[in-house]
Amino acid sequence: GQNIDQPTEMTATEGAIVQINCTYQTSGFNGLFWYQQHAGEAPTFLSYNVLDGLEEKGRFSSFLSRSKGYSYLLLKELQMKDSASYLCAVRDSNYQLIWGAGTKLIIKP
Amino acid sequence: TAGITQAPTSQILAAGRSMTLRCTQDMRHNAMYWYRQDLGLGLRLIHYSNTAGTTGKGEVPDGYSVSRANTDDFPLTLASAVPSQTSVYFCASSDSEGAGNEQFFGPGTRLTVL
Repeated sequence: GQNIDQPTEMTATEGAIVQINCTYQTSGFNGLFWYQQHAGEAPTFLSYNVLDGLEEKGRFSSFLSRSKGYSYLLLKELQMKDSASYLCAVRDSNYQLIWGAGTKLIIKP
Repeated sequence: TAGITQAPTSQILAAGRSMTLRCTQDMRHNAMYWYRQDLGLGLRLIHYSNTAGTTGKGEVPDGYSVSRANTDDFPLTLASAVPSQTSVYFCASSDSEGAGNEQFFGPGTRLTVL
């Protein structure tokens, strides 16, 4: 079966750095996406990785290791507005997205 | 640009009744998707359409049907609603089924079936 695993909840302090991990087992791999979802709102796109390595976009970075079936999302200089759920999704061999259940990130002052 | 709109925002429906959730996008995206999101579970694909005139089944298609008569609209119909269909439904679209094109999501419809 196909499976995406990520921690259910994490807590971090404003101004700090947090790393959200995602491991996956899917039938095929055609890219990995990270989305942000604030409570009661729609998911919004953050990043995309298809090759191994780090993709940096402002305060957010995403890393991929295809051989390990592993990715992480790194958030720097945390702000209160970063309190949200972060969703990891893998595009499988059928070009459909398989989604993790999401990691709820709580930012404390 | 509105992006993707969904209607209604929320709905309470009696079991056994039918309902159509509407989704319209103005980005001229080829591909459109319907997901349901339940607490503790990832988004699950119900149906998708790679281009106007074609549709396909996702992970959880039973009890749902879709049509794609044109590029912009992708309605989702529940023929006879059951309580297990209580969920938040998101419509999404993307420019293509391939490459790194991300999916854009509508605001969602919160459906309660009693």
